[in-house]
This record gives sequence, structure tokens and C-alpha cells, in this order.
Amino acid sequence: NAGVTQTPKFQVLKTGQSMTLQCAQDMNHEYMSWYRQDPGMGLRLIHYSVGAGITDQGEVPNGYNVSRSTTEDFPLRLLSAAPSQTSVYFCASSYSGGSPYEQYFGPGTRLTVT
Amino acid sequence: EDKVVQSPLSLVVHEGDTVTLNCSYEVTNFRSLLWYKQEKKAPTFLFMLTSSGIEKKSGRLSSILDKKELFSILNITATQTGDSAVYLCAVLIGEAGNMLTFGGGTRLMVKP
Repeated sequence: NAGVTQTPKFQVLKTGQSMTLQCAQDMNHEYMSWYRQDPGMGLRLIHYSVGAGITDQGEVPNGYNVSRSTTEDFPLRLLSAAPSQTSVYFCASSYSGGSPYEQYFGPGTRLTVT
Repeated sequence: EDKVVQSPLSLVVHEGDTVTLNCSYEVTNFRSLLWYKQEKKAPTFLFMLTSSGIEKKSGRLSSILDKKELFSILNITATQTGDSAVYLCAVLIGEAGNMLTFGGGTRLMVKP
């Protein structure tokens, strides 16, 4: 199993540009999510999905869009990048359902917006 | 508003010392509390605690949850330089028990 994979590892954008961060998992997890981590802070939830075709907003969704057309993939789109979106982005996945499950994290994408 | 608070913010110790990291929480629909270790990359899972009073142990690390007082502690005994990292506490919430709310982390530095 590759686990949770993210691409790219690093990205530099100019203000106003758009881009998509890719996330894929091969563990057949229903639940996938995106977090951002700013320097010296914990992770904050951007968007999440409990299955293909179902997405919802987390704590900090503004400026980001997601879609979930397959179980494996959960891309994060930045519509018009702003310097405030400079951060490290982590994708995570887990099983879903009645019992709590640990979440597995991808290696992260470091994004700088100038 | 759901809140997870970790203390201390940072800690410097010497090899062989024992440390205790704290995590308190105020959330709706608590399902479980998780500890992660982060070393300049993705968080790696340490423990999941769902029931009060049951200690989870892995080598020199151990953790316990108190659901009445709404806190958890993570103990590391006989610290080593390889324990240097940010330790993150997160609470699993939501009907399906999937959403994680994170604390700000405790940065631990272990000096030789």
C-alpha cells in the first residue's frame, strides 16, 4: 500500500493564480479530509468527505473547493490564491462509521503564495 | 466552539528526563482523543484513547484520558534525542466520529 499520497510536494504561486492539490489513498477509506498547518500551530480542517459524492466544510473553508468523484481521490482547489493561504497542506483518510478510527496523513504540500 | 488546548507550548529537557504533556478539551460530541508525533513532516499516530482511566502504553510512551475532567496526558520516560518533535493532541468529533480538532501542539526538545 502506498497509503496517502500528495502532489506536488512544493508549490509557489502568484497572488490570483489557481491550482489543484492532489490527494489519493489506496486503503479504501471512506473518509478523507484536508488540513492546513500554519507555522507554530496545530492543524485546521478545511474540507472533508465521508464518501464519493459527499463533501462538507470544515473550520476554514473560504477560498478552497473540493470534490470527491471517486473513493480514492480528493483534490483541493485554490480558486484565487492569496498570501494568507501560504501554509503546509495535509490530506488525511480513515475508515468511517460508528467506531472511531485513526486518521492517516499524507506527506504534505508546502505552498507559498507571493 | 470546539476547543483543544495543549500545554506547555514548548519544553526543553535533557536525555533521560521524564516529561508530561497536557491536553484539555471542550468539544461537543466527543468520540475519542488521539496523540500524534510530528517531526517536520506528516503527523504520525501514537495513541487513540476512548475510555477513561485506561492507560495506553508503547515503549517509553504512555497516555491516559480523564473524560470527567476533560483532559489527557502523554508521558515520555527516559527521553532520547529522537523524541524531539511537536506532539499534537486531537479530538475526534462528529456523528461519524471522523472530524479531528487539533490543539496547537507542544514542541519538545531533548538535549544530549
